[in-house]
This record gives sequence, C-alpha cells and structure tokens, in this order.
Amino acid sequence: DTAVSQTPKYLVTQMGNDKSIKCEQNLGHDTMYWYKQDSKKFLKIMFSYNNKELIINETVPNRFSPKSPDKAHLNLHINSLELGDSAVYFCASSQENRAYTFGSGTRLTVV
Amino acid sequence: DAKTTQPPSMDCAEGRAANLPCNHSTISGNEYVYWYRQIHSQGPQYIIHGLKNNETNEMASLIITEDRKSSTLILPHATLRDTAVYYCIAALYNQGGKLIFGQGTELSVKP
Repeated sequence: DTAVSQTPKYLVTQMGNDKSIKCEQNLGHDTMYWYKQDSKKFLKIMFSYNNKELIINETVPNRFSPKSPDKAHLNLHINSLELGDSAVYFCASSQENRAYTFGSGTRLTVV
Repeated sequence: DAKTTQPPSMDCAEGRAANLPCNHSTISGNEYVYWYRQIHSQGPQYIIHGLKNNETNEMASLIITEDRKSSTLILPHATLRDTAVYYCIAALYNQGGKLIFGQGTELSVKP
C-alpha cells in the first residue's frame, strides 16, 4: 500500500489553465505538506497543514490554493498557470515532526 | 534553523563504506540533525535523525561530534542503489514540521 500517493504523476497543460494535484496519505499523520522542486533541484516548502488547519504558507503566489478536506488529504489547486510553475511538486506527511514520508511527485509542465 | 554545509559531490566504491560529512557549527542545543536522501526522480526519503548520541538503524549510522558542530552519515556497505543526493538538515523537533532542504551531497556509488 502506498503511504503517500499523489495524482497525477505527470501533468502537461497550457499557460492560463487551472489545474489541481491531489494527495492522500494512509499513515494517520496529522501534518501534510506541499514542496516544490524546481529545475535547479532546490526543494522548497510551500504549505503545511495540521489537522486541516493551515500552519505554513511560504509566500507562495495566491494563484496556489491548498485545500485539506480532512487530515488524510491535501490538494493543491493552481489558477492561471504560468511557465515558471513548471516543476515537480511533492506532497509529504509527518506525525509529531518525526520523519517525513514523501509522495513520488507530480511533474508539472506548463507550455 | 541552523545552516548546514555539505560537499556538493562524493564518490564511493561499491561495497565500501560511504561517509558523508555535514557541518552545522551554529546548531542550537535543541535542534536535531536529520538526514534524507533523494534518488533520481523520486521523493525524498527519510534516513535517520539524532540530537546528541550516535544513532544506527537498518539504513545507516549517524555520528554526531561531542560539540555537535558536525556529523557524519555512514552507509556501511554502499550499493549502486545508494546513488542519490543526501541532505543534512538541522531543525527543531517541534517547529511546525518545517524542514529546509539545502543543496545536499550528490553521492555516486561506482562499481
């Protein structure tokens, strides 16, 4: 069973479109995250939710809107996609700030 | 969070021990040292963490110097599958779960 699963794995879309990436974890963790890894391979935190409550928002453009319907799910919706949004997006979860478990990533390409 | 410094790349022969160093000279007394790795195109994977004492698990050993200003991750018998980028991170155990990834060390295990 996959602990942290993201869908889709690949996403190719045109500039200006709106898209969503879904994340689900079956580990019973309280905290979930979205990280972005750009072409230079830097991993940067975007958002963190604890029990459906937003606790970290790292000055991400407001075109990015996370939504957590319950503590097992954290989705990422992106409006008006731009070329610079092309990256790999990783979802992760943790419990009590112990080891993070990451998903396998969603490779977003904006053309 | 304390800044960490790692060599950008290292090579290791298959079957030999891989010793990955990390400097964290400004680490505070309650910051832990975490190690993660990212195998190409996959999500980062937790390896080990520690505060003061040396730690060992099924994946690796973590040696932290007595003054806590540096640490070494040891992969006792490196295999080709250990080729990855290894990240050393200093972070509080309870800070809202925020881990900041640096550039890491790209370890190449060669036959």
